[in-house]
Amino acid sequence: AIQLTQSPSSLSASVGDRVTIACRASQGISSALAWFQQKPGKAPKLLIYDASSLESGVPSRFSGSGSGTDFTLTISSLQPEDFATYYCQQFNNYPLTFGGGTKVEIK
Amino acid sequence: QVQLVESGGGVVQPGRSLRLSCAASGFTFSTYGMHWVRQAPGKGLEWVAVIWYDGSKKYYIDSVKGRFTISRDNSKNMLYLQMNSLRVEDTAVYYCARYCSGGSCSINGALDIWGQGTMVTVSS
Repeated sequence: AIQLTQSPSSLSASVGDRVTIACRASQGISSALAWFQQKPGKAPKLLIYDASSLESGVPSRFSGSGSGTDFTLTISSLQPEDFATYYCQQFNNYPLTFGGGTKVEIK
Repeated sequence: QVQLVESGGGVVQPGRSLRLSCAASGFTFSTYGMHWVRQAPGKGLEWVAVIWYDGSKKYYIDSVKGRFTISRDNSKNMLYLQMNSLRVEDTAVYYCARYCSGGSCSINGALDIWGQGTMVTVSS
């Protein structure tokens, strides 16, 4: 199975900060990567698909980049509603796999 | 609106069975593949199983092979997960999620719509 390693596992940031989360795959997955946001008690929400495509309705402060094995999710200016846990997920091969998550907390 | 609603969760003893359901509405269910994804309390997301739009292919994570069966009824817009020989480590919130595969998809492969989840607790 393809392993996805997210870093950091948690971070503290302030409103307005630029935040970057990394996701590394154990083997190449082309651009078959998605990013999700999850808030406590809620289902994951798709933010980015195909590594860099913004899901409809998602604010433009969210962006994704990368291909192959190294990917990044960037929040250009953190807003209060962005405090949540973020997961990367590959859909290049079965079994699908998720990264371990990055919890973004208020500094 | 596009919606997935899971049901069937509950508390069950180890070794027993449970069937989860996922009701789809607001989209053409028969043209979408479907996944089950779970999340143990306080843990990350774990993919469980997938079924093709027409039911022709199914894949499972190794830890549930031979115990869980994914199925669907396109005439009823329903997805199911039959869980047998349940273990304590199967305790989790179970989500269903859809994906589209093929040239006509605006989003190809990613899990774009999720249900709210149903909790399964396996405990003696």
